[in-house]
Order: sequence, then structure tokens, then C-alpha cells
Amino acid sequence: GEDVEQSLFLSVREGDSSVINCTYTDSSSTYLYWYKQEPGAGLQLLTYIFSNMDMKQDQRLTVLLNKKDKHLSLRIADTQTGDSAIYFCAERETYGNKLVFGAGTILRVKS
Amino acid sequence: EAGVTQFPSHSVIEKGQTVTLRCDPISGHDNLYWYRRVMGKEIKFLLHFVKESKQDESGMPNNRFLAERTGGTYSTLKVQPAELEDSGVYFCASSQTGPNTEAFFGQGTRLTVV
Repeated sequence: GEDVEQSLFLSVREGDSSVINCTYTDSSSTYLYWYKQEPGAGLQLLTYIFSNMDMKQDQRLTVLLNKKDKHLSLRIADTQTGDSAIYFCAERETYGNKLVFGAGTILRVKS
Repeated sequence: EAGVTQFPSHSVIEKGQTVTLRCDPISGHDNLYWYRRVMGKEIKFLLHFVKESKQDESGMPNNRFLAERTGGTYSTLKVQPAELEDSGVYFCASSQTGPNTEAFFGQGTRLTVV
């Protein structure tokens, strides 16, 4: 079945760039997502990328997709303390609507 | 417009007891999903409703879990009897019908079985 893996923890200084990495197994996934969970809150969709794209940029967020290696990354430029949260990578199942999530990466931003 | 709401936000119950979680999706969303995150691990799919019908319940762990969505509006997830390994955060999400419609998530219910 599908599997999504992420590094568990990342610590950066305020103002630096953060890069969160993810690998997935379903090569036929059509959409890949990044969700953010702040303390005490639900999951918020940050951005997504369609599988025929290599890169997507949205303000401070850049998503890179390497389909050959099944590797997805999220880069946050000028990381702020408000970016501290858990970031989940997810792929949409090819023949259904369900999402397959990774375990989440805890991003800690030090001021 | 109200988002996806879940109740309760926290629940602590003893092993063997019954707990019912509730999810109110965004009005007009036919798709409703339940997910669970156990002990800091990945968020796992439990099941998917389309209106009142169970479209996919392949993620339900065992027959102690019963989900309903009578009338195609809110949904309940009952755990009976609860076991220690059922502890975790239960998320509900809803979406409109379509190829890449965004799934909106609730804040989750943190269930602790002691």
C-alpha cells in the first residue's frame, strides 16, 4: 500500500529558510499536499502540487517535486516564529479520495 | 461560515467504556472523512462517507468502531468497548464533490483511554 515518510523534527533560527522533506511510494499519485497543524488547532491545507509539476511557489512557500525519486519538499523562506507547527505531507490515493499522511515534521523556530 | 466542528475536544474514559465522537461537516459538503493519529505517528484514514453512505471503510481497525451519518449531515464515531490502543486524536474532514476539492479538517477530538 501507500506509504509516506518524513523526518520528525527540524529546528531553525528565525529568518532562516526551512526545508521539510517527504518521500512517498505511490508513483501514480495525482496530487501531493502539505498541511500545517498549529497547537490546539486542526489541519490547515498550506499548499498542494499536481503530479505533472516540478515546482510551485506561493509567497514564502516553495514546493519541489521529484517524481523519479518520489520526493517532495516544502521550503519556507524567512521562517518566522509563527511558522512553528507540525507539517504533514500527504498524497491523494489514485483511485479514491482518501489522503495518505506522513507522521508529521515538528518545526521549531528559535528567535 | 462555520468550519468543521468536532465534539468533544477532549475525552478521557476508562478501558471498557463507550465513547461517541461527533463531527459536523461544513454545510453542503457531501464527503465526510474520519482519520486518526495515534501516539505521534502518521494520520491514518478510517472511513469515508458520501452523504449517508459508507464509500470506503477500509481503515476501520475492528468491529469495536461504528460510524454513522444518518441523514447525510453530521456523523458519529462510536468506540465500544474502548481499549488502551484506541487513544489518539480523531480528525474529521469534509469536502465538496470534485477531482481535487479541498478537504477541510476539524480541530480533532483527543481521546485518552486509561
